[in-house]
Amino acid sequence: QVQLVESGGGVAQPGGSLRLSCAASGFTLSDHTMHWVRQAPGKGLEWVAGISWDGKNQHEADSVKGRLTISRDNSKNTLYLELNSLRLEDTAIYYCARAPSGPYCFDTWGQGTMVTVSS
Amino acid sequence: SYVLTQPPSVSVAPGQTATISCGGDKIGSKGVHWYQQEAGQAPVLVVYDDSDRPSGIPDRFSGSNSGNTATLTISRVEAEDEADYYCQVWDSDSDHWVFGGGTKVTVL
Repeated sequence: QVQLVESGGGVAQPGGSLRLSCAASGFTLSDHTMHWVRQAPGKGLEWVAGISWDGKNQHEADSVKGRLTISRDNSKNTLYLELNSLRLEDTAIYYCARAPSGPYCFDTWGQGTMVTVSS
Repeated sequence: SYVLTQPPSVSVAPGQTATISCGGDKIGSKGVHWYQQEAGQAPVLVVYDDSDRPSGIPDRFSGSNSGNTATLTISRVEAEDEADYYCQVWDSDSDHWVFGGGTKVTVL
């Protein structure tokens, strides 16, 4: 069964850092580009960042540019997201999502992990 | 940056047809994907590449895309279709993935 499970969410202070993980199972992680998508409370979906199958190419949204590191360890079937210089507006559910071969969409999503930035 | 515009809400009676629009500049030249998100749940892909359905998605869900508007159509609407729906494209100019603001479908 294809599954993505996020962890690492919690409460962090403004200016702080947080590292999220996404464990993949039921498929070969190295076959897929992977992404992070977030959703602020009561708001819509926002793409955050993506990383190619081999980790060599990364893309990030303008809202997090320079504050984010997306990485992966295919040997551990795990995707990571490190967000630095946290702001109140980073408060959101963070989902990891798999891109299928071909279409530029997200065919599998995790259940999400909540990040709350608060003083 | 590329912008996708959706109506905030659509209401439909059971058994009728719901139509959700997604507007964008020359969106007809892009592949459009649609997601359903039920309350408190993760999104689920219901249509990809304008009009294809992943396995397990009922054929009541269909999509089209032309000009400046893409459309998700839900035929024979059921109570379980009540959810938020988002359109999404990949913007090749910025190499960013873009979502519409979402449409809340209410089944009357």
